[in-house]
Amino acid sequence: SAVISQKPSRDICQRGTSLTIQCQVDSQVTMMFWYRQQPGQSLTLIATANQGSEATYESGFVIDKFPISRPNLTFSTLTVSNMSPEDSSIYLCSVAPGLGFYNEQFFGPGTRLTVL
Amino acid sequence: GDSVTQMEGPVTLSEEAFLTINCTYTATGYPSLFWYVQYPGEGLQLLLKATKADDKGSNKGFEATYRKETTSFHLEKGSVQVSDSAVYFCALNPYPSGSARQLTFGSGTQLTVLP
Repeated sequence: SAVISQKPSRDICQRGTSLTIQCQVDSQVTMMFWYRQQPGQSLTLIATANQGSEATYESGFVIDKFPISRPNLTFSTLTVSNMSPEDSSIYLCSVAPGLGFYNEQFFGPGTRLTVL
Repeated sequence: GDSVTQMEGPVTLSEEAFLTINCTYTATGYPSLFWYVQYPGEGLQLLLKATKADDKGSNKGFEATYRKETTSFHLEKGSVQVSDSAVYFCALNPYPSGSARQLTFGSGTQLTVLP
């Protein structure tokens, strides 16, 4: 498995501002993902963070709202832009272990975001 | 498309009771199946997995068997503890082992175990 850390662990933000969430892995991984978990709900995939190229977004999520960076094989950031109260959620980073094939994912502890 | 259906919660049990959380799936081909657990205030932890039909995943006293004929992957534990109180998510990777794809999650089942 991989050890994944996220910063910040939680934040309270004002409407209209932006927050950048960092995800750091203790080993190189090919695949990194960003999920959103709204209060009391399941997980929804936002995008796949691709190293060295643009992220692949799921339906309903756009780059202008959720820009993602993936500068290397151990690090990624997700920015939540122009926030509204509807963006209040837990944001989770996950990775597929190693550089080869996989089928499971491991998750970071999450970032708990409250937008006022 | 691919989907996962979990039994609705919340589920409340007394300590040492038997636990079953039902999970059924819809997918073409031969998906890999997972159970994740989310303790209060934490991220998701992989609890167990199965990658082919009739495989049994097990961990920490929890078990689940991949039943292709019934497209099910029910989670069971013979004797729950208060520390098992958490939200449990069933998930699938729609491609066979070795393929990189995002997971599809069920809605989650909240389990509360009372002393």
